[in-house]
Amino acid sequence: QSIVTQPPSASGTPGQTVTISCSGSRSNIGSNYVYWYQQLPGTAPKLLIYKSDQRPSGVPDRFSGSKSGTSASLAISGLRSEDEADYYCAAWDDRSFVAIFGGGTRLTVL
Amino acid sequence: EVQLVESGGGLVQPGGSLRLSCAASRFTITNSWVNWVRQAPGKGLEWVANIKHDESEKYYVDSVKGRFIISRDNAENSVSLQMNSLRAEDTAVYYCALSPYYDVALDTWGQGTLVTVSS
Repeated sequence: QSIVTQPPSASGTPGQTVTISCSGSRSNIGSNYVYWYQQLPGTAPKLLIYKSDQRPSGVPDRFSGSKSGTSASLAISGLRSEDEADYYCAAWDDRSFVAIFGGGTRLTVL
Repeated sequence: EVQLVESGGGLVQPGGSLRLSCAASRFTITNSWVNWVRQAPGKGLEWVANIKHDESEKYYVDSVKGRFIISRDNAENSVSLQMNSLRAEDTAVYYCALSPYYDVALDTWGQGTLVTVSS
């Protein structure tokens, strides 16, 4: 099956902007929206970005998403300690008819 | 508060079966796609299966095809995941999550239920 790739880790200091990348293929990210999830330790994931660049109500505008071709990215500006979490991208795959999650990126706020 | 509650997890021997349930309270899941997503200990998220509101479409990840069956009872406002021929690699926390449409827009999640496959 197709895979979606994320860097395993990212880090930044408070106030900085961090970007997490998500790379897929034509059958998933290239053809469909990308979704981003935040998972704090010991909790269920939370939808952070939908339809590639939209924020659900309640998600701070420090979080933004973008997509170009077969890649997507999540940017977090004004980094805060509470942003320390695992972040996952996801997209539907039209070739295999499954949803694919990236491997996840652990964000550390230094 | 909108809530999804999973139940049915536990310890099972390899080759055994378990039936997970996902029940919604204070809202209806009638018009939602319902998904199961799992997370093995210390690992990332893996989508498992989903089902359309009228059961006309169901999709599964390859690793569970032929072993897991997703179903729903809209009258009971619940969804089930029947898991057969369980393997050690099925050990994970299983989450149910709702999507308003055919995509990965999982906007409501349960707290998860742990399934452990071990002898």
